Amino acid sequence: GENVEQHPSTLSVQEGDSAVIKCTYSDSASNYFPWYKQELGKRPQLIIDIRSNVGEKKDQRIAVTLNKTAKHFSLHITETQPEDSAVYFCAASGSEYGNKLVFGAGTILRVKS
Amino acid sequence: ETGVTQTPRHLVMGMTNKKSLKCEQHLGHNAMYWYKQSAKKPLELMFVYNFKEQTENNSVPSRFSPECPNSSHLFLHLHTLQPEDSALYLCASSQVDGESEQYFGPGTRLTVT
Repeated sequence: GENVEQHPSTLSVQEGDSAVIKCTYSDSASNYFPWYKQELGKRPQLIIDIRSNVGEKKDQRIAVTLNKTAKHFSLHITETQPEDSAVYFCAASGSEYGNKLVFGAGTILRVKS
Repeated sequence: ETGVTQTPRHLVMGMTNKKSLKCEQHLGHNAMYWYKQSAKKPLELMFVYNFKEQTENNSVPSRFSPECPNSSHLFLHLHTLQPEDSALYLCASSQVDGESEQYFGPGTRLTVT
């Protein structure tokens, strides 16, 4: 089955700097890669996702890149702000597994002002 | 109320008790999920239901028993739990197209004493 590894487990950046979180996956059949943000005491919410037919996707300050050959994908946050502080989860799923999302262990991002 | 709701939000139960968690989605989705979120662990998928049919049981102990009477409601029946079952239990829903956003409920914080 799918295995998703996420690094780093914690990340501290200065406000205004960029943050990058990386994930690798094991199943080459995976074709959907969402990123979720979970603020303290709140539910996870989708912030961006990418499908295997696209190499990069941007939405304002956040972007995701996908390298299918290497089986890894990354979340990039530019011009970080204190409200970006949260736990970020990557996930992967493929048509072979239907709706089953396999999540990474999460990255605690702290943005220091 | 819109989105995905869960009740109760907090639950304390003894190891011999029987209780149920309830999830309701108001999004017209056909897939529903139960996840367990423990400290320092990734989101663990427990059960998946598509069109009321269970399509995934991720090796969950029998002391957790799911029920999906219709596409909008999902229950998790609990009995003879162990202290290590204390965690945040999250419900989610999505369209049943294989790769789409999952919408999470606020979760039930369960403490087993």
